[in-house]
This record gives sequence, structure tokens and C-alpha cells, in this order.
Amino acid sequence: DSGVTQTPKHLITATGQRVTLRCSPRSGDLSVYWYQQSLDQGLQFLIQYYNGEERAKGNILERFSAQQFPDLHSELNLSSLELGDSALYFCASSSGLQQYFGPGTRLTVT
Amino acid sequence: GESVGLHLPTLSVQEGDNSIINCAYSNSASDYFIWYKQESGKGPQFIIDIRSNMDKRQGQRVTVLLNKTVKHLSLQIAATQPGDSAVYFCAENIKAAGNKLTFGGGTRVLVKP
Repeated sequence: DSGVTQTPKHLITATGQRVTLRCSPRSGDLSVYWYQQSLDQGLQFLIQYYNGEERAKGNILERFSAQQFPDLHSELNLSSLELGDSALYFCASSSGLQQYFGPGTRLTVT
Repeated sequence: GESVGLHLPTLSVQEGDNSIINCAYSNSASDYFIWYKQESGKGPQFIIDIRSNMDKRQGQRVTVLLNKTVKHLSLQIAATQPGDSAVYFCAENIKAAGNKLTFGGGTRVLVKP
């Protein structure tokens, strides 16, 4: 157990809908990262937050947004969902270089 | 459930043998490297890391080798066990560019009893 929690574990929704994925980092970690893992793209970095502020951005679509709250938990919002958004979404947290990953949320868009 | 694509390179190894997993990284400015293990239905799990000022680092049953000249990283697993069956990813990081990790495509390791 990495200490990072993610909810929900599974999510099935229809195209055009909006969903929110939630992540609670390890106790004491200020940085939160979001990654997408799809069948044809591998693990792709989406965005990083540090103590509530956006720190780095990767290949995140404009339809996706994230935030980190004062209690350090983070949410990833995915809107106008498309079939191609079906993937595993992982959150990771760190206090240094080493990142600890959560169990992921499997999103299926039908 | 499946965590990665259908076209992963696969390494089949007999239980008890040593495994070597290779990774070519892309950015010569990368200064930190990590190996992760991902079992089916789970998130990536840290195995071992190495900084660019080192060329070898050993852990428990695992050794990482770094060759910066050819931008190559390898993970050696000694006395491979059934529990080592998983997908293994290398990841690179450039500290100056924030702490985002760039992952390689992964290698599936299958341990035969």
C-alpha cells in the first residue's frame, strides 16, 4: 500500500458527460501528479500540483482540468468525454523525487 | 485488469534465473531515473532509482545500471520469482523541469515455474 488513495476505483459513463476523479496523497506529501495510462499510449504525465498551485503541465487536454485543495487532496475533472478518454488514471504524490502511485481509477466511456 | 497495451515486449524467464530488462531513454539532460513494477490491476510500485552521477545501484535482489553514453538503463533481477511477474517501466526525470516523469513503454516479465 503506497498510502495514496483514489476514488472511485471504476467509473462507467457516456460520451459527452463530465466526471471527477479524486486523490488523497500520502500524509505529508505536498506534490500531487496525475497520469493517464491507455492501451496505446502507455503512462502519460498530465499535470502536477504543489501545495495548491499548478507546478507543471504535460499532455493534458483543454477538456481536462485539475485542482489541489488546502487539505492537499486533488481532483481531476474530465468533461465532454470521448471514447478515447477511456483509460486508467493514476495519481501520485511525493515529498522529494520519488513518486508514490495510487491504485488508479479505471474510466470507461461508452 | 490490463494496465498497458497489447504490444509490450515480453521477457519469459525460468523461476530462479536472473532477468535483465532494458530501457533506452530519450533525453540526455535527464538526471534521475526510476524503475517501477506494475502488477495487473494495480498502480506502479517503486523498485529502485538512480541519479545520473552514478552508474550502478543495488537493492534487494535488484540492480540498476546506467550508461549515459548510450542513454541506456537496465534492471537486473536476481533469482526471479513468480511474484516478479509484472510489467516493468523505466522513467526519467529532469529536476530542472519540475518533477514530472517520462515513462518508457514497459516490458512484461513472465516467470515460468
